[in-house]
Amino acid sequence: ETGVTQTPRHLVMGMTNKKSLKCEQHLGHNAMYWYKQSAKKPLELMFVYSLEERVENNSVPSRFSPECPNSSHLFLHLHTLQPEDSALYLCASSPDTGTHYGYTFGSGTRLTVV
Amino acid sequence: AQKVTQAQTEISVVEKEDVTLDCVYETRDTTYYLFWYKQPPSGELVFLIRRNSFDEQNEISGRYSWNFQKSTSSFNFTITASQVVDSAVYFCALSRSGGYNKLIFGAGTRLAVHP
Repeated sequence: ETGVTQTPRHLVMGMTNKKSLKCEQHLGHNAMYWYKQSAKKPLELMFVYSLEERVENNSVPSRFSPECPNSSHLFLHLHTLQPEDSALYLCASSPDTGTHYGYTFGSGTRLTVV
Repeated sequence: AQKVTQAQTEISVVEKEDVTLDCVYETRDTTYYLFWYKQPPSGELVFLIRRNSFDEQNEISGRYSWNFQKSTSSFNFTITASQVVDSAVYFCALSRSGGYNKLIFGAGTRLAVHP
């Protein structure tokens, strides 16, 4: 089991639904990230949190709403998504936001919007 | 601007062959970090190696080796005597020094190792 756990592993939702993705890390890390991985495209950074504070929003549409209630948990709330939002959503963590650290990734949530 | 290019979209080899995955990067920073990650079918990206821009020594870890050449802005990854378990998507990534820990990933290379 990795140190970063994401649930659910798979999610199918309609365009009018509201759902949430959950990420949990037990590594004592202070920084957490959401990435989007679409077919045929590079990994896209969506959000960066440091000590529960959002420090970067990479021009992500408002239909994606992140929440970080504490340094161990990160959520991605979804509403009125579009089919093009179907992708693998990966959560990652690192000790802090210093650039010499790599990330520890979760296994991702495979999202399908119908 | 920072950019990572992995020109090989897919590579197919037969078990026991050696294979090299190419990575070329662009950055104006003098201090930066380079990474390789492996993404098996299960989905999570597994950290393989981190290299800082001041350390051009090649590194070997078992069947894996990395060749970092600043002169050509390349950080290539070689798997010796490949195995079926090496089948995965491999990502090269670049991170700048200072500021937030933002990894810029290449598009990835899908490696298929056939028995």
